[in-house]
Amino acid sequence: SYVLTQPPSVSVAPGQTARITCEGDKIQYKSVHWYQQRPGQAPVVVISYDSARPSGIPERFSGSSSENTATLTISRVEAGDEADYHCHVWDSSQFSRAAFGGGTKLTVL
Amino acid sequence: VQLKESGPGLVHVSETLSLTCLVSGDSLRGYYWSWIRQIPGKGLEWLGYVFLGGTTNYNPSLKSRLTISVDTSENQFSLKLTSVTAADSAVYFCARSDATADPFRPWGPGTLVTVSS
Repeated sequence: SYVLTQPPSVSVAPGQTARITCEGDKIQYKSVHWYQQRPGQAPVVVISYDSARPSGIPERFSGSSSENTATLTISRVEAGDEADYHCHVWDSSQFSRAAFGGGTKLTVL
Repeated sequence: VQLKESGPGLVHVSETLSLTCLVSGDSLRGYYWSWIRQIPGKGLEWLGYVFLGGTTNYNPSLKSRLTISVDTSENQFSLKLTSVTAADSAVYFCARSDATADPFRPWGPGTLVTVSS
């Protein structure tokens, strides 16, 4: 199965930039989706297809992908950005099975 | 479109867990309908999907115990997980994707299932 690796936690001060990585073999050839999950709630898409920002998501959220690492970048971090963030790909080599990273807890100091 | 999970919050070890996801605001047709679970404090685990017509695809780690099916008359889809253990205690989400390259959206709010001895 396809393995995605995320750091368990990232901490950043308000106003600074947070970068959350998602590592996977040749991930650049897959579409990476990122979800924000607040406590007690379902995940919500914040970035799709590596770098597309859905309607309603602030421009402070951006995504990129190269070689074996995809990155979710949150600029000018606010207290309300504190949440868990999960990356997701579909592994077409395994009859299109979905894979998630372990999730990253973003703490705003 | 809105999704809503329902089912028992408590299941006993070795029994079968049955959950239903009611879809409102759209048809089941043309989409992939997945079950995803999350042990509290842990990451997300995709369990499998069903596509109208009966096509299914399961996480290999659960394949022998899992069945996902659709009921078009009720506009809902279901999960059955047999021989449950404490390791199956989790929040279970249902979610939709347009295709097997697309993100999951929307999601249901999730339902907590506890497996007890």
